[in-house]
Amino acid sequence: GENVEQHPSTLSVQEGDSAVIKCTYSDSASNYFPWYKQELGKRPQLIIDIRSNVGEKKDQRIAVTLNKTAKHFSLHITETQPEDSAVYFCAASAGNTPLVFGKGTRLSVIA
Amino acid sequence: DAGVIQSPRHEVTEMGQEVTLRCKPISGHDYLFWYRQTMMRGLELLIYFNNNVPIDDSGMPEDRFSAKMPNASFSTLKIQPSEPRDSAVYFCASSLGGLAYGYTFGSGTRLTVV
Repeated sequence: GENVEQHPSTLSVQEGDSAVIKCTYSDSASNYFPWYKQELGKRPQLIIDIRSNVGEKKDQRIAVTLNKTAKHFSLHITETQPEDSAVYFCAASAGNTPLVFGKGTRLSVIA
Repeated sequence: DAGVIQSPRHEVTEMGQEVTLRCKPISGHDYLFWYRQTMMRGLELLIYFNNNVPIDDSGMPEDRFSAKMPNASFSTLKIQPSEPRDSAVYFCASSLGGLAYGYTFGSGTRLTVV
């Protein structure tokens, strides 16, 4: 089955700097890659997703890139703000299988 | 829409007791998922339903765990008997249209078994 590895497990950045979180997946059939943000004590919430027919997608300060050949995808957050502090999860699905999540990255934005 | 609704938000129970977690998915969503979240193992899929039918329960850890979806607006996850290692946050999520679409999560139930 699918296996999703996520790095780093923790990340600290200065406010205003960029943050990058990377994930690799094992199933070459995977074609849907969402990212979730989970604030302390809250539910995971979808912030951006990408499908395998697209290489990059942006939404204001966040972007996701996908490299199908290498089987990895990344989340980029620019101009980080304290409210970006949270745990971020990547996930992957082959369409006929449910989402498999990475272990998460705890992002701390230091003011 | 009120989103995915889970109850209770917190549950503290003694080892050996039966625990029932409840979930109301978003109206019209045809997929329902139960995930368990722990620090060590992250978000693990326990079971999912499509149109109220259980499709894959391979993630259910033991026979002590069971899940039902008697209708499109209600699902339960039951643990009997509960054990301390079952302590975790249990999330219900629903989606519309398939497995490769965004899932909407409920607020979760934090279960503590003492």
